[in-house]
Amino acid sequence: AQSVSQHNHHVILSEAASLELGCNYSYGGTVNLFWYVQYPGQHLQLLLKYFSGDPLVKGIKGFEAEFIKSKFSFNLRKPSVQWSDTAEYFCAVLAQTGANNLFFGTGTRLTVIP
Amino acid sequence: DAGVTQSPTHLIKTRGQQVTLRCSPKSGHDTVSWYQQALGQGPQFIFQYYEEEERQRGNFPDRFSGHQFPNYSSELNVNALLLGDSALYLCASSLTGNIYEQYFGPGTRLTVT
Repeated sequence: AQSVSQHNHHVILSEAASLELGCNYSYGGTVNLFWYVQYPGQHLQLLLKYFSGDPLVKGIKGFEAEFIKSKFSFNLRKPSVQWSDTAEYFCAVLAQTGANNLFFGTGTRLTVIP
Repeated sequence: DAGVTQSPTHLIKTRGQQVTLRCSPKSGHDTVSWYQQALGQGPQFIFQYYEEEERQRGNFPDRFSGHQFPNYSSELNVNALLLGDSALYLCASSLTGNIYEQYFGPGTRLTVT
């Protein structure tokens, strides 16, 4: 069975600080990986995704994530956060075989202090 | 180009009642998936509809059922509501050939008292 772990439940940073949110998944096969963001009062939006190729993927708003297959990880990073990055961040995995649906982690709430 | 829309926005029901939630997919999309997001949790997959049939189902009881109409819109029905059914219910749409690109609606907040 697939599962996704996000160990950071709530992260508080000051503006301009660097961000790294952890995501680990458990699935032995080939996966597609996603980060979604949910800004306050808004719906889930896709931040970035990894399908294959370069393990370092870039998304919107300066976010990037690195897929490390040996560690089953897909950590989200941003060099310098802004107050507007305050949101809930969800990592999700979709197996390329079997169940054709997304498995989400429990989310990490990011609060950026101006 | 309208995105995914859901109605109602909020709903309050009593234990034992039944509820119907509605979703209209993004224009051009033919596949609808439903998720339940409990407070403090990530979305959990309920089921997926394509060509008016349930194609996949997550680990949810039969009290949760759905329907897809010829115009690709969808309904989620929950019978015999329990307090634990209180959650944000999300609808996501996609193209069958591009299931990896799911677009989410704003959700329906269901409160069961």
